[in-house]
Amino acid sequence: QKEVEQNSGPLSVPEGAIASLNCTYSDRGSQSFFWYRQYSGKSPELIMFIYSNGDKEDGRFTAQLNKASQYVSLLIRDSQPSDSATYLCAVNDGGYQKVTFGTGTKLQVIP
Amino acid sequence: GAVVSQHPSWVICKSGTSVKIECRSLDFQATTMFWYRQFPKQSLMLMATSNEGSKATYEQGVEKDKFLINHASLTLSTLTVTSAHPEDSSFYICSASVGLSHHEQFFGPGTRLTVL
Repeated sequence: QKEVEQNSGPLSVPEGAIASLNCTYSDRGSQSFFWYRQYSGKSPELIMFIYSNGDKEDGRFTAQLNKASQYVSLLIRDSQPSDSATYLCAVNDGGYQKVTFGTGTKLQVIP
Repeated sequence: GAVVSQHPSWVICKSGTSVKIECRSLDFQATTMFWYRQFPKQSLMLMATSNEGSKATYEQGVEKDKFLINHASLTLSTLTVTSAHPEDSSFYICSASVGLSHHEQFFGPGTRLTVL
């Protein structure tokens, strides 16, 4: 069974700091990796995706992928209180369109 | 771009009745739509995957006769909860995939169902 694991948190960081969120996955054949943000009571929102080893930057967000070690991470620079949410990692194996979601990491940015 | 809508945003119904939830992709044609359920403080649980014009594929443990899914067009999928019970009360969220090579999914705003 394909698994995606995340630390449930909460991860607390002060405003302006870098928040680092991590995710590991079990299926070595996984091809695409996604980070979603979900505010309490709302549906998930796609932040970014990555499919090649290395870093991918989009504004304050950087996704990092290491397929050899089977982990993907999300860095949030200059964290803001509005970044406080649950961050979901999702993995697709490249075949069928279904993705497997982790249980999410709750991030709290302290003003 | 990639906007997905859901209707209704919330619904309250009596036990034993049926409820239909609509999911629409507004600015793209969705090759595949997904239906999820999320209970409080839990992660997303995939219920089923639907492709336009074909039968939905249900996840293990999801009753296909209770959760009826119809994907009549590339922009519309519906989920009908039949003979609803209080334990069906949950947050139902649809997502749509454009079918691009990396299969990113775009989520609707969700429907909060309360069964009395």
